[in-house]
Amino acid sequence: TQLLEQSPQFLSIQEGENLTVYCNSSSVFSSLQWYRQEPGEGPVLLVTVVTGGEVKKLKRLTFQFGDARKDSSLHITAAQTGDTGLYLCAGGPQGGSEKLVFGKGTKLTVNP
Amino acid sequence: NAGVMQNPRHLVRRRGQEARLRCSPMKGHSHVYWYRQLPEEGLKFMVYLQKENIIDESGMPKERFSAEFPKEGPSILRIQQVVRGDSAAYFCASSFGGQMNTEAFFGQGTRLTVV
Repeated sequence: TQLLEQSPQFLSIQEGENLTVYCNSSSVFSSLQWYRQEPGEGPVLLVTVVTGGEVKKLKRLTFQFGDARKDSSLHITAAQTGDTGLYLCAGGPQGGSEKLVFGKGTKLTVNP
Repeated sequence: NAGVMQNPRHLVRRRGQEARLRCSPMKGHSHVYWYRQLPEEGLKFMVYLQKENIIDESGMPKERFSAEFPKEGPSILRIQQVVRGDSAAYFCASSFGGQMNTEAFFGQGTRLTVV
């Protein structure tokens, strides 16, 4: 069974601080996706990383895919209150399956 | 361009009743995926369908749950004889091609509460 472990589970910081959240697995994934989910809403895709070692930037967000394609990180610079939400990583699909394997998420709260 | 539409947004059922959850994919999308999310949990894959075909139902419970995606109309996730443990948020996603190659977009979900 493929598992994705996300850490930390909860994170509460002040506006302006930097943070990093992690997504780790013992399995290799063909790609990793990061989503943000707000209360009462569906997940919204932020980025897909597919190449080992790949780094993608989306304004203040930096995503990295590990060299071995087993882990990923999301770094947010100068967090804003609008960054508050649940950040989910999802691995796959692979092995002919179309399903994504999701981590449990990191619940981020950015306080003013 | 309308996104993935799910209805109802909230559904309350008594134990033993049936729940029907509907998902209209984005225009032009023929691939639909259903996921379930329990509180403090990530999304768990349930089933992957293309028009009139179930491609992968490895995440579906063996009993009481069924899904369809007819030639015309929305995809339906049906839960018969609901129990309290079925209470969860159910999300549908759709994509133009399989998720191997194309992005999937999620709906806002249906929150099922079994009382």
